[in-house]
Amino acid sequence: GAVVSQHPSWVICKSGTSVKIECRSLDFQATTMFWYRQFPKQSLMLMATSNEGSKATYEQGVEKDKFLINHASLTLSTLTVTSAHPEDSSFYICSASRLGEGGNEQFFGPGTRLTVL
Amino acid sequence: SQKIEQNSEALNIQEGKTATLTCNYTNYSPAYLQWYRQDPGRGPVFLLLIRENEKEKRKERLKVTFDTTLKQSLFHITASQPADSATYLCALDSNYQLIWGAGTKLIIKP
Repeated sequence: GAVVSQHPSWVICKSGTSVKIECRSLDFQATTMFWYRQFPKQSLMLMATSNEGSKATYEQGVEKDKFLINHASLTLSTLTVTSAHPEDSSFYICSASRLGEGGNEQFFGPGTRLTVL
Repeated sequence: SQKIEQNSEALNIQEGKTATLTCNYTNYSPAYLQWYRQDPGRGPVFLLLIRENEKEKRKERLKVTFDTTLKQSLFHITASQPADSATYLCALDSNYQLIWGAGTKLIIKP
């Protein structure tokens, strides 16, 4: 149980275009999903916390108009990178939270490798 | 300032030996701490969670300790195997969010 999928697994796009990444919890309902960005050999950087049916909470320094997050259902959250630039190239990972023993456990998707040319 | 630190240098261990990874933190008082495994190009996979009132947690060949006085967690893999080679991340909770270490790359040599 507790499987999270992401789509696409990788994407290459031209500068200025928009890219949408989907995150789905396949076998459980997740009221909270998280979006992370990870650069090579660095830790996961939380971008935003997404709650079903409400606006996402963005971390400091993350532009909400550039990284649009929609959490329309308990099993789906989407991240849209708008007007992508080469510096947006990174590994984007989502996670879905489920209450486990003693606290929230996060289950991660396989990640999406974004390359902006 | 708040920090969570893992050894940034890769850890090379001979197959069959015990691998021990360290996670230190400052200026946090987490209610629990988690360990994850991450393979290249993949999302992290949850391994173990240990609460602040637990000294030790075990799962098969894995053992985690949590010393809130030292502000340190140790992650042990006994009878290590080449398949255990990966990057291991620790994460602690802070205000209902997880704060992540940068991870330690573990290499198990046959």
